[in-house]
Amino acid sequence: DAKTTQPPSMDCAEGRAANLPCNHSTISGNEYVYWYRQIHSQGPQYIIHGLKNNETNEMASLIITEDRKSSTLILPHATLRDTAVYYCIADNTGTASKLTFGTGTRLQVTL
Amino acid sequence: GAVVSQHPSWVICKSGTSVKIECRSLDFQATTMFWYRQFPKQSLMLMATSNEGSKATYEQGVEKDKFLINHASLTLSTLTVTSAHPEDSSFYICSARDWGGGTQYFGPGTRLLVL
Repeated sequence: DAKTTQPPSMDCAEGRAANLPCNHSTISGNEYVYWYRQIHSQGPQYIIHGLKNNETNEMASLIITEDRKSSTLILPHATLRDTAVYYCIADNTGTASKLTFGTGTRLQVTL
Repeated sequence: GAVVSQHPSWVICKSGTSVKIECRSLDFQATTMFWYRQFPKQSLMLMATSNEGSKATYEQGVEKDKFLINHASLTLSTLTVTSAHPEDSSFYICSARDWGGGTQYFGPGTRLLVL
């Protein structure tokens, strides 16, 4: 899987949009961009994924650049419960494809 | 949908004993499950890939005789930590991917403390 690079930490005020960037300049054509988050002492939670087009679901939006070398996860109205470590991972979704977790971005949502 | 459960959620055991952790995909069939380990303030590290009906594939540095993995059905994989020692104390997390591929979903994790 392609290597991803994320800032180690970010802060966001509650109610504001949280924009989490991710660089994946070596991503291959069959690799999706996946986002997971891990709230303290829990297993990772799937958030969203995309290949080329921007995606939106009830949790977040994913913006992927046209050259697919970077992406941004957007939490439109961050709450305190969104405080977590967010992981951006490139995955080809094959049955045996292994996810490689980097250090992620620790998002702290504050009042 | 796409729920993965783990049991137990936490376990305390004495050094030298064995501990079994179960991972179940509740609403989908998983030909492949994965086992991760996470130490405090570190990221998840893949230990092994569990394939239904065949032997698990272990990552480099993971002792296959110490961490026994069984994937007996399309919805159940087990990890047995044999002869556990205090250094095996960690957060163990499983994940499962639908038989057709696609998104990998994670269990809530099992916290193991070996005294």
